Amino acid sequence: EIVLTQSPGTLSLSPGERATLSCRASQSVSSRFLAWYQQKPGQAPRLLIYDASSRATGIPDRFSGSGSGTDFTLTISRLEPEDFAVYYCQQYGNSLLTFGGGTKVEIK
Amino acid sequence: EVQVVQSGAEVKKPGESLKISCKTSGYSFISNWIGWVRQMPGKGLEWMGFIYPLDSDTRYNPSFQGQVTISADKSISTAYLQWSSLKASDSAIYYCARQWGIFTRGVPLVYMDVWGQGTTVTVSS
Repeated sequence: EIVLTQSPGTLSLSPGERATLSCRASQSVSSRFLAWYQQKPGQAPRLLIYDASSRATGIPDRFSGSGSGTDFTLTISRLEPEDFAVYYCQQYGNSLLTFGGGTKVEIK
Repeated sequence: EVQVVQSGAEVKKPGESLKISCKTSGYSFISNWIGWVRQMPGKGLEWMGFIYPLDSDTRYNPSFQGQVTISADKSISTAYLQWSSLKASDSAIYYCARQWGIFTRGVPLVYMDVWGQGTTVTVSS
């Protein structure tokens, strides 16, 4: 099983600031098969990024993903009020899909 | 438009059985894996398993194998998650999601691109 560790656990930032979220895998993720999801309170998760760096349909370009191997990053270039939420990474490079524990981005 | 709509909240007693549903529309149901994710109160996301409706090929997270059953009815584009004997620890929100990606060497390498709204299951005596 590939264990995904997300850091930090909580990120306190102000609107307009840049957010950098990390997702580290316990072993290499095949072919950059990594996705990022956003979840707001009381809502279902929403796909943001797939294949490590491809934005899902309708996702603003302030969201970007990067990385390969064991280290991946989600960057939000300038935080909007609606971006304060919990973010999860997920790998799908093998038969056992796993999620990271999440990073909460909160308003400072 | 692709839509995934789940059945409503359930309140059950320990030992009871339950089957929740996930009705899809707007795409070819038989041609995509569809899966389930658990979220326990205040916790993160856990992949439970998924099914390929065309041939009912089903894959489970070993942590959930034998605890739940995933099935699908092609005729009504609906997937199901069921329990034969609920426990209090099954209390959670369960999400259904269409899976998208590739199938290679017998392994679906898929992410979740369209999610249902979630079904809250409460198990309490």
